Amino acid sequence: EDQVTQSPEALRLQEGESSSLNCSYTVSGLRGLFWYRQDPGKGPEFLFTLYSAGEEKEKERLKATLTKKESFLHITAPKPEDSATYLCAVQSNDYKLSFGAGTTVTVRA
Amino acid sequence: DADVTQTPRNRITKTGKRIMLECSQTKGHDRMYWYRQDPGLGLRLIYYSFDVKDINKGEISDGYSVSRQAQAKFSLSLESAIPNQTALYFCATSDPHGVNSYEQYFGPGTRLTVT
Repeated sequence: EDQVTQSPEALRLQEGESSSLNCSYTVSGLRGLFWYRQDPGKGPEFLFTLYSAGEEKEKERLKATLTKKESFLHITAPKPEDSATYLCAVQSNDYKLSFGAGTTVTVRA
Repeated sequence: DADVTQTPRNRITKTGKRIMLECSQTKGHDRMYWYRQDPGLGLRLIYYSFDVKDINKGEISDGYSVSRQAQAKFSLSLESAIPNQTALYFCATSDPHGVNSYEQYFGPGTRLTVT
């Protein structure tokens, strides 16, 4: 059974204070690892897909990296608008995403 | 207009009542999914449909049923609601033929409370 563990559960940052979120996974055969952003009262919004170890993707202040056992989401010089819950998910077959519980990031001005 | 819409957005119902949650999409995707989200547990798959004639159970289908009325519409029903079905419910879609074939796109969610 695929398993995804995200840490920490919550992260409080000062504006401009860079940090990283961790997503550890066990999967029978990785087709893709996904990062989503979820704002309160809204559905998850797609950020990145990573397919193989060593791959990196960037979007504004966010950078996602992938190894064979974990993925990191780096937030560089965060702003208050980066406050959200970040979800990690893995896909090992044709349809099913297995999600972690998420990391809630709060960025104070 | 949003690509994936869900109705209602909020619903309070009583134990034993039947309730239907509806999802519509304008993305033209064949695949649709229903998830529930509970605090600390992440999203869990209830049902999924690859096309109108192909419906499958997910990991937590007990107590739920679905109907795929058209490519664009996928409804989730709770035949006899119970309090532990109180959760946030999300519909999602994906396109198996697209460039990003594994990505799923989510609706805004329905907050369901069963008293």
